[in-house]
Amino acid sequence: EIVLTQSPATLSLSPGERATLSCRASQSVGSYLAWYQQRPGQPPSLLIYDASSRATGIPARFSGSGSGTDFTLTISSLEPEDFAVYFCQQRSNWPSITFGQGTRLEIK
Amino acid sequence: QVQLVESGGGVVQPGTSLRLSCAASGFTFSSFGMHWVRQAPGKGLEWVATIWYDGSQKHYADSVKGRFTVSRDNTKNTLFLQMNGLRAEETAVYFCARDKNENWGPDQYLDYWGQGIPVTVSS
Repeated sequence: EIVLTQSPATLSLSPGERATLSCRASQSVGSYLAWYQQRPGQPPSLLIYDASSRATGIPARFSGSGSGTDFTLTISSLEPEDFAVYFCQQRSNWPSITFGQGTRLEIK
Repeated sequence: QVQLVESGGGVVQPGTSLRLSCAASGFTFSSFGMHWVRQAPGKGLEWVATIWYDGSQKHYADSVKGRFTVSRDNTKNTLFLQMNGLRAEETAVYFCARDKNENWGPDQYLDYWGQGIPVTVSS
């Protein structure tokens, strides 16, 4: 099973700041990685797929990068609604998929 | 707009069965693969099962293989998850989700999710 490790577990920032979230895979997943946002009491929503492609309707301040084992989700300037939990997900060993344990982005 | 509404959750005893449903609307249900994902209280996400748009293929996490069955009724725009032999550690919110890929095999990215339905397994 491919294990995804996200860091940091919690990130404390202020609105307007830049956020950088990391996801590391236990083996190469190519570019088959997605990012999801989950607000409290809500289901996850797809932000990024194939490492760097924004899903429909996702603002340009969200960007993804990386390949192989190291990936980054960047939020260029934090809006109040961006404070949430973020999960990465791989689909390299299709059809099985696994998720990271999540990074909580909280207001400083 | 795309809507997914789960139902059928509740409190059950270990070893018993439960059937979840997911009613879909706002898109051509028969053109998309569908998934079940669960989230234990305060924990992360765990993929449970995938079914192709036409029901021709089904895939399961090793943890549920042989006990859970995913199915769909494309005439009623409904997805199902039959869960047998439930265990306490399977207490979670169960989400149904749509695959991003249309009219082909699922690409295993989940672009729309239901609100989820809680399942509690406890004696």
